[in-house]
Amino acid sequence: AQRVTQPEKLLSVFKGAPVELKCNYSYSGSPELFWYVQYSRQRLQLLLRHISRESIKGFTADLNKGETSFHLKKPFAQEEDSAMYYCALSEGGATNKLIFGTGTLLAVQP
Amino acid sequence: DAGITQSPRHKVTETGTPVTLRCHQTENHRYMYWYRQDPGHGLRLIHYSYGVKDTDKGEVSDGYSVSRSKTEDFLLTLESATSSQTSVYFCAISESKASGDYNEQFFGPGTRLTVL
Repeated sequence: AQRVTQPEKLLSVFKGAPVELKCNYSYSGSPELFWYVQYSRQRLQLLLRHISRESIKGFTADLNKGETSFHLKKPFAQEEDSAMYYCALSEGGATNKLIFGTGTLLAVQP
Repeated sequence: DAGITQSPRHKVTETGTPVTLRCHQTENHRYMYWYRQDPGHGLRLIHYSYGVKDTDKGEVSDGYSVSRSKTEDFLLTLESATSSQTSVYFCAISESKASGDYNEQFFGPGTRLTVL
């Protein structure tokens, strides 16, 4: 079955510390993976997608097919990074449906 | 923000009453989705639509129905609300992409529903 697992409900770090938000997936085909972010009192927005290999707000994520992982990383956390982060897997095909993980709340302490 | 609005933004209702949530888009996107967001569960798909009058069930569709009579509107109805349907409901839209493109979804601001 297709599944996205985010093992950490809460990740608390100090400002300037490195951040790694874990995401593992289960998918039989070639996955399309995304990270969405939800800042306090705001709507979900796309942070980055694996296919474009981009860095947004200092965050990067590399798809590791061998480990079926798509961890989100940032070398130096900022207080404004505090938010809920969701990893999502596209089922592909015409419906564009996404399967979301349970989310990780990142809290960056001053 | 993509042109997606949800109404109402907040609602408190009583068990057993019908409730309809509205999602409106101005992007003319083909696909529309309803999710519920709950602590410990993330976002779960309730129903989705792939065109006018074309809808299908998602992961947690029991107790919910949807309708899409126009491209721009996607309605979510709780026929008889229960306390377990207390949640934050998000609408999302996306468009068909050419082969090789990604399937980005754009989200609405959410509706906080409380069923007493």
